[in-house]
Amino acid sequence: DAGITQSPRHKVTETGTPVTLRCHQTENHRYMYWYRQDPGHGLRLIHYSYGVKDTDKGEVSDGYSVSRSKTEDFLLTLESATSSQTSVYFCATRTLTGGGYGYTFGSGTRLTVV
Amino acid sequence: ELKVEQNPLFLSMQEGKNYTIYCNYSTTSDRLYWYRQDPGKSLESLFVLLSNGAVKQEGRLMASLDTKARLSTLHITAAVHDLSATYFCAVDGAKLIFGQGTELSVKP
Repeated sequence: DAGITQSPRHKVTETGTPVTLRCHQTENHRYMYWYRQDPGHGLRLIHYSYGVKDTDKGEVSDGYSVSRSKTEDFLLTLESATSSQTSVYFCATRTLTGGGYGYTFGSGTRLTVV
Repeated sequence: ELKVEQNPLFLSMQEGKNYTIYCNYSTTSDRLYWYRQDPGKSLESLFVLLSNGAVKQEGRLMASLDTKARLSTLHITAAVHDLSATYFCAVDGAKLIFGQGTELSVKP
């Protein structure tokens, strides 16, 4: 979606190093989310934010931290990357449409931890 | 804690056949979403179901929601190869929780 940009799109990193993924939105949405996608598990919620400096944990938050210092940016940090964090990471925003809430997803970041 | 389960997880269909994907969820919610994902791509919104008894149709796909049974279905009519993709349901219970996905393969 043109309103959500994830960076980088691909990254290979070594075990034990910190990694930060960025999600940038241009639509001024209050709610933002980080998911990881793994085969057989669908998308699992890591952390989400309901405003600047307001964040909460999702289903699989261990080993991850987030920060939101501006409405448009939601950062996901792997404090010390492990091979189990090899995954595709998606950012999403919640939008208010005529029919209620909808969710829009970014293009994803493919992270490989070696 | 909200849990969402889809079945089947894998579905191989022949073109022209009909089939249904089921999405069960564990706690009360009246907002359910269906998404399509092609390999290596992001999620594309298909349907948003916002109330009990909601039914929406787009082309060969029809989705319905029964909030009392905590069940949504995605029905595929006369499948074509272009429908091959992975389909996810997701339930909004303060957080958006996804099912495991159904990988659909439509063969000639």
